[in-house]
Amino acid sequence: SQTIHQWPATLVQPVGSPLSLECTVEGTSNPNLYWYRQAAGRGLQLLFYSVGIGQISSEVPQNLSASRPQDRQFILSSKKLLLSDSGFYLCAWSPSTSEQYFGPGTRLTVT
Amino acid sequence: GIQVEQSPPDLILQEGANSTLRCNFSDSVNNLQWFHQNPWGQLINLFYIPSGTKQNGRLSATTVATERYSLLYISSSQTTDSGVYFCAVGVSGTYKYIFGTGTRLKVLA
Repeated sequence: SQTIHQWPATLVQPVGSPLSLECTVEGTSNPNLYWYRQAAGRGLQLLFYSVGIGQISSEVPQNLSASRPQDRQFILSSKKLLLSDSGFYLCAWSPSTSEQYFGPGTRLTVT
Repeated sequence: GIQVEQSPPDLILQEGANSTLRCNFSDSVNNLQWFHQNPWGQLINLFYIPSGTKQNGRLSATTVATERYSLLYISSSQTTDSGVYFCAVGVSGTYKYIFGTGTRLKVLA
């Protein structure tokens, strides 16, 4: 069966520091991968998605970037965090244009 | 871009009551999912339902794609049903998904 991992679970970072969040999927090959952000009490906003290694589509211009160095690995990064980057970051995978499955998420607080 | 609206935004029920949650979308979609977000933030898949009707225990869902809406029915609600319910649609011709605004449900014992 397929599983999706995210780490770390929680993170507190100062403004201006770099960020790296990692997501990996097991038990499948060539998945579509997604990064979402959820602000407190709000809905989910699609940030990036990828349909293959090195292929990244950005949905919202912002202080973040994404990379897919391996088939089942998706990384969310920032060179300098802003206060507005605080939130709950969720990674998801999908076999194609069908059902999505979510990881446990990372709670990021920028201080 | 496509708009996905959910109603009601908030709902408070007594344990044992029934409820209907609605998801409206503004354009054609290639799939639709319902999720329950528990108090710890985990998104739990409820239904993958691009069209038609499905049932799973006390929950059922119906999507009428031609009329651009989906309904989630919760019967005999329990306190463990509390949380936020989201619908998410797949945008036709893309690999993108757009989430609805959510319905926050609280079930009182």
